[in-house]
Amino acid sequence: SQQGEEDPQALSIQEGENATMNCSYKTSINNLQWYRQNSGRGLVHLILIRSNEREKHSGRLRVTLDTSKKSSSLLITASRAADTASYFCATDFGSNDYKLSFGAGTTVTVRA
Amino acid sequence: DAGVTQSPTHLIKTRGQHVTLRCSPISGHKSVSWYQQVLGQGPQFIFQYYEKEERGRGNFPDRFSARQFPNYSSELNVNALLLGDSALYLCASSPLAKETQYFGPGTRLLVL
Repeated sequence: SQQGEEDPQALSIQEGENATMNCSYKTSINNLQWYRQNSGRGLVHLILIRSNEREKHSGRLRVTLDTSKKSSSLLITASRAADTASYFCATDFGSNDYKLSFGAGTTVTVRA
Repeated sequence: DAGVTQSPTHLIKTRGQHVTLRCSPISGHKSVSWYQQVLGQGPQFIFQYYEKEERGRGNFPDRFSARQFPNYSSELNVNALLLGDSALYLCASSPLAKETQYFGPGTRLLVL
């Protein structure tokens, strides 16, 4: 079963607008990662936030983590057509073993 | 530097056959993980290998097996293929077991 769930399932925005998507998870985590996938190809790692961090930035990306609510958000500012992709959150909740659990993803379409 | 490579890129099999998928990690990476992504869903964790030992196993039947070689490359084997095994199989590598994972382009398997 997938621990993370993204919301919304799909998002359509105009170029230049901001895109925000959320991820909720069920159990305590070691870290949370966001990935991007273009057209069913391999996943590209965007950002990792550890359980003791609350906010992280990388270029036009801003990720927040609220462990009390078991949720995270990904904000893409000043979106571009190239940001059109599916975005997945993934949680690492293993202790001795390692299991990365992905949500079903948010499909983002950026209109020119 | 070369990224994670996977072979073959596409594969068509019939029910009951077996399949072997191959993955070469990024140079210097000792951990390889395998994921199954069914159309419209997020990747599901199958296995992780680190230093040639299994470090994690997802909720998949025994028809799925894997191994890691001394050069850290890996094979995923699936026996007695079912229609439901049709999916994109992703391989990811990381320097250590609990680090950011870098994904390959995937092998698209179609079972008829």
